[in-house]
Amino acid sequence: AQSVTQLDSQVPVFEEAPVELRCNYSSSVSVYLFWYVQYPNQGLQLLLKYLSGSTLVESINGFEAEFNKSQTSFHLRKPSVHISDTAEYFCAVSAVRGGSEKLVFGKGTKLTVNP
Amino acid sequence: EPEVTQTPSHQVTQMGQEVILRCVPISNHLYFYWYRQILGQKVEFLVSFYNNEISEKSEIFDDQFSVERPDGSNFTLKIRSTKLEDSAMYFCASSEGTPKAFFGQGTRLTVV
Repeated sequence: AQSVTQLDSQVPVFEEAPVELRCNYSSSVSVYLFWYVQYPNQGLQLLLKYLSGSTLVESINGFEAEFNKSQTSFHLRKPSVHISDTAEYFCAVSAVRGGSEKLVFGKGTKLTVNP
Repeated sequence: EPEVTQTPSHQVTQMGQEVILRCVPISNHLYFYWYRQILGQKVEFLVSFYNNEISEKSEIFDDQFSVERPDGSNFTLKIRSTKLEDSAMYFCASSEGTPKAFFGQGTRLTVV
């Protein structure tokens, strides 16, 4: 079974500051890793994913995450945040198996970007 | 971009009533899922569905829950006799078999 821990439930930052949202996972098998974002009153949108290859993955809006196998982490970073990045961010894993496996989510981190 | 559509966006029901939550997955997808998110808690897996049958379900998905793909496009979640603790946001998701799931906007179910 897999589990995901997001250490920070809320992260307030000022606009243009850097941010890191932490995610650690536990699994007895290899996993795929994901970050989903949920804007207020909206559904879940995939922000970025790690499947294989380069351990550093990037999104189109400036976020990046690095898969660290030894530390079982997949922290999300952005060097300069905008007000529009205010949302809840969920880290998720799925086991690497045939077909399409379910996602196991962390509890989420609410990022609030203040002017 | 294709998207997963869920209806209704918000449903209020009385305890003990049956509810059906509806989803239209992306048309060429093969795997379908329901997740739920109780207010303030994490998103939890309920059930996955492939080839017209349940492929996996969680301990939450008890006999009160059922899923169906009644035609070629819809995917439904039925709760037979709703309880107060069923109040949550329910998300439908679909996948074409790659580790990338597309989520709908969710249905907020309120049981009173």
